[in-house]
Amino acid sequence: NAGVTQTPKFRVLKTGQSMTLLCAQDMNHEYMYWYRQDPGMGLRLIHYSVGEGTTAKGEVPDGYNVSRLKKQNFLLGLESAAPSQTSVYFCASSYSTGAGGTQYFGPGTRLLVL
Amino acid sequence: AQSVTQPDIHITVSEGASLELRCNYSYGATPYLFWYVQSPGQGLQLLLKYFSGDTLVQGIKGFEAEFKRSQSSFNLRKPSVHWSDAAEYFCAVGAGNNNDMRFGAGTRLTVKP
Repeated sequence: NAGVTQTPKFRVLKTGQSMTLLCAQDMNHEYMYWYRQDPGMGLRLIHYSVGEGTTAKGEVPDGYNVSRLKKQNFLLGLESAAPSQTSVYFCASSYSTGAGGTQYFGPGTRLLVL
Repeated sequence: AQSVTQPDIHITVSEGASLELRCNYSYGATPYLFWYVQSPGQGLQLLLKYFSGDTLVQGIKGFEAEFKRSQSSFNLRKPSVHWSDAAEYFCAVGAGNNNDMRFGAGTRLTVKP
């Protein structure tokens, strides 16, 4: 049981390049989330999904797009990377929200934008 | 929206000593409260959570936390710290649903031999 996996683990981009981060979960969770973690700021929610085919904006969505074509996968896209998007990106999933909604996190993707 | 403050950026304790990490939240109703731990280069692992009921909750690895509504706090404690507890600890607060869970900035714990 792999839980939540993220691909790639590390990536270097040049300003203006695009890339997609992949998150996969094998727990049959409905809810999936993308966070970014920056020093001194904790984790901030970028986008989330409450089910296959649905996405919604979180706290810091600008510059990112997401897709949830399959229940087990949640993709985060950067169309034109900027140095401000240098961060560690975490994906998480949960079975439900509210009282039952413990989030399970992936190991993270470290992104450096030059 | 809800918010979380972790007043201590970095704490150093000696192995075997007790530990308390502070967490204060802001939310109008009863919040859902979480403590997560992050080891270097790893994702976040849930230590414990509070939704309702007993205000003293037990978690994994010997940690506990107490919800104090009057103080808007959810402090994490451990009676005797082990070297393997060195990590970063995050407090988080959820609202009516977890789609908008807010994390504190984290407290880095160093354990001295």
